[in-house]
Amino acid sequence: DSGVTQTPKHLITATGQRVTLRCSPRSGDLSVYWYQQSLDQGLQFLIQYYNGEERAKGNILERFSAQQFPDLHSELNLSSLELGDSALYFCASSVAPTPETHTFGSGTRLTVV
Amino acid sequence: AQSVTQLGSHVSVSEGALVLLRCNYSSSVPPYLFWYVQYPNQGLQLLLKYTSAATLVKGINGFEAEFKKSETSFHLTKPSAHMSDAAEYFCAVTQGAQKLVFGQGTRLTINP
Repeated sequence: DSGVTQTPKHLITATGQRVTLRCSPRSGDLSVYWYQQSLDQGLQFLIQYYNGEERAKGNILERFSAQQFPDLHSELNLSSLELGDSALYFCASSVAPTPETHTFGSGTRLTVV
Repeated sequence: AQSVTQLGSHVSVSEGALVLLRCNYSSSVPPYLFWYVQYPNQGLQLLLKYTSAATLVKGINGFEAEFKKSETSFHLTKPSAHMSDAAEYFCAVTQGAQKLVFGQGTRLTINP
């Protein structure tokens, strides 16, 4: 157990729908990162939050959004889902807003049908 | 922008043989480099990382990697493969202070 908790572990939904993925960072970690792992794009950075504020954005689609709450958990919202959004979504956390001490969660596998 | 190239999407070795997974990076600044392992249906686990200290980095499960600036490489090795090493391995480099950039991954298969 890495200490980073992601829920749900699996999610199956239809095209056009909206889902929310949740991540609870390790105790004491202030920074949360979201990554997407897909067969065609590999592992890609989506977005980073530090202590509630957005710090960096990567290849995140406009249909996707995220936030980090005062208790430091984070949610990734995916809307108007397409088949191509099917992927494994990872959350990672770290104490500082730098990725050298990333700890990854076990991921949420999203299947869009 | 920093990037990572992993040579060989699939590597197959016999049990007990040397494991060598290749990673080359491009970076305009001294990089931090990482190797992660992903077992089937699991998340990413850090094997080892280079953060500008010793160039030979030892990690978990008997793996090690050597940072070679002249070759812009950070190859992962293990002297003797074990069946439990079968997994996907990812090399990564920090880009700025914000994120990791990953290679495409190398799937390691161990033959009995």
